[in-house]
Amino acid sequence: NAGVTQTPKFRVLKTGQSMTLLCAQDMNHEYMYWYRQDPGMGLRLIHYSVGEGTTAKGEVPDGYNVSRLKKQNFLLGLESAAPSQTSVYFCASSSGQEAGYGYTFGSGTRLTVV
Amino acid sequence: LAKTTQPISMDSYEGQEVNITCSHNNIATNDYITWYQQFPSQGPRFIIQGYKTKVTNEVASLFIPADRKSSTLSLPRVSLSDTAVYYCLVGDRSGGYNKLIFGAGTRLAVHP
Repeated sequence: NAGVTQTPKFRVLKTGQSMTLLCAQDMNHEYMYWYRQDPGMGLRLIHYSVGEGTTAKGEVPDGYNVSRLKKQNFLLGLESAAPSQTSVYFCASSSGQEAGYGYTFGSGTRLTVV
Repeated sequence: LAKTTQPISMDSYEGQEVNITCSHNNIATNDYITWYQQFPSQGPRFIIQGYKTKVTNEVASLFIPADRKSSTLSLPRVSLSDTAVYYCLVGDRSGGYNKLIFGAGTRLAVHP
């Protein structure tokens, strides 16, 4: 029962480098989300997707891009990493549109930009 | 946006009942109230959800008054392993789709 899998788990980038974070879910969920969490803070929504081929901006989308080419995968890209993007990134998925449908979260990717 | 307000931190002792109250004055008619738990270095974990009155599962109870402007998460007989951050959320339907907006949460510390 994998649920939501994020890769990689840790990464260190130099300022200006690019990278892609991968999120994969095996629950056939329609909705997928990318959040970031800074130390001592709650989660902030970066981008989300309501189905294959769709993406939308969340609270803090600047500096990130996403793609949902396959239903089970949701990719988060950083084109030119900045130290302000040092954070823990969480991916989540859910089955329904109502907030009542619980989200399943991955275990996170800890990204450091130096 | 339907925002929530909850205490920043709480302390308790093993075996006690803990009640965390959340305020959500602008909750929309179709919004559900959802609580999550997050341990250090882990993603949040769904605990319980409800629309009105009382909901109970094997982990917690959720009390929601008739006006739905607040809710209370009740953790019976807490143990050290219940030390975590607890988030109260309501669905954000701006833009036509639901997406959960997390606040800072309540840091619960359970002491021996």
